[in-house]
Amino acid sequence: EAGVTQSPTHLIKTRGQQATLRCSPISGHTSVYWYQQALGLGLQFLLWYDEGEERNRGNFPPRFSGRQFPNYSSELNVNALELEDSALYLCASSFLQGLPYGYTFGSGTRLTVV
Amino acid sequence: GNSVTQMEGPVTLSEEAFLTINCTYTATGYPSLFWYVQYPGEGLQLLLKATKADDKGSNKGFEATYRKETTSFHLEKGSVQVSDSAVYFCAIYSGGGADGLTFGKGTHLIIQP
Repeated sequence: EAGVTQSPTHLIKTRGQQATLRCSPISGHTSVYWYQQALGLGLQFLLWYDEGEERNRGNFPPRFSGRQFPNYSSELNVNALELEDSALYLCASSFLQGLPYGYTFGSGTRLTVV
Repeated sequence: GNSVTQMEGPVTLSEEAFLTINCTYTATGYPSLFWYVQYPGEGLQLLLKATKADDKGSNKGFEATYRKETTSFHLEKGSVQVSDSAVYFCAIYSGGGADGLTFGKGTHLIIQP
């Protein structure tokens, strides 16, 4: 069974540009979660999608947005990039009823803003 | 709301030393408890979990026991190896809300040969 896959692995953008990050969940998982892991800051919850709808978002500005497609894959968009957006962006998936058993994470996309 | 508190480190130990990483939590309801590990340059991997009081999760020589009376889930290993060097995250899920898992800030473990 394929795990959670994220693309690209690395992304370099300049300040002010837009970045698009992609995530494919494990087959059968309907929930996708996005986290930002900036250096020294631990995991910061960004967004949660389930069944195509946004269920919750963390304390991030509106330029962080995303969507979930009918096949449950997801996209995270970051507009008007700032230097402090440089971080590892992690995606995780689960099925809703499986939350008591945890998430499965992808390997992340390393975004560097220069 | 839910919260997780864990020692942030870095925690530096010599190979074959005994490891304890403390984790305490506050939660609504009856949470499931998790430890995740992040090796350098990688995403998070589920290390072990426990879903009810007094359950012991174990994997790769690591253990943690769900202590409801002290709201704790401390991670232990009897003899650490250099390959255990990583960041360890404690997490909880208590259901019902739209928050998914709640993570601690992570503990950076460094094992020296």
